Amino acid sequence: EVQLVESGGGSVQPGESLRLSCTASGFSFTGSSMNWVRQAPGKGLEWLAFISSTSDTIDYADSVKGRFTISRDNARDSLYLQMNSLRVDDTAVYYCARDGRGVSNGNNWFDSWGQGTLVTVSS
Amino acid sequence: DIVMTQSPDSLAVSLGERATINCKSTQNVLYSSNNKNYLAWYQQKPGQPPKLLIYWASTRESGVPDRFSGGGSGTDFALTISSLQAEDVAVYYCQQYYTTPLTFGQGTKVEIK
Repeated sequence: EVQLVESGGGSVQPGESLRLSCTASGFSFTGSSMNWVRQAPGKGLEWLAFISSTSDTIDYADSVKGRFTISRDNARDSLYLQMNSLRVDDTAVYYCARDGRGVSNGNNWFDSWGQGTLVTVSS
Repeated sequence: DIVMTQSPDSLAVSLGERATINCKSTQNVLYSSNNKNYLAWYQQKPGQPPKLLIYWASTRESGVPDRFSGGGSGTDFALTISSLQAEDVAVYYCQQYYTTPLTFGQGTKVEIK
């Protein structure tokens, strides 16, 4: 069974940093491209970042480009999102999501999602 | 960016009746080289992550009941629930993956009438 478990969320003040993790199991993490998607409270879904299986292709939404960094450690079956210069409007549940086509350079659907981790940015 | 607009924002349907959700994109998401529409549908129940229902606009994900079907092409798409069940109460989202940034519709809430 595919499992994605996010961690690292919490409450921070504007301008602070946070690092989210996503631990994968039940599938070949090495053979899967991954994404981060967020959902603000009561709002819709926003794709944030993509990383290919070998980390050679990375892409970001403009809203987080330059502030967030996606990375992965295939030896640890883990995906990360380093979030710097956090703003109030970054408050959301953050999901890691598996690329629907496994090894790819992006532009796909998301076939498995974690339960999400809540990030609250408030002064 | 490709903007995805769903209609209606919410709908209430009687059990056993048909529910149809529309999704319109501001740009064509049909890739001419492979004749595939880069459009997916998700279901999100309260307190849960989204669940993939359909990709390539009409291909049902494994395990998804056949009462869910997707159709359309180019810029206009629809998700149909042929016979609404109580467990289908959820918010439904369309998503284009034709180009980045990958974008979602605003969501359509489906309730029981």
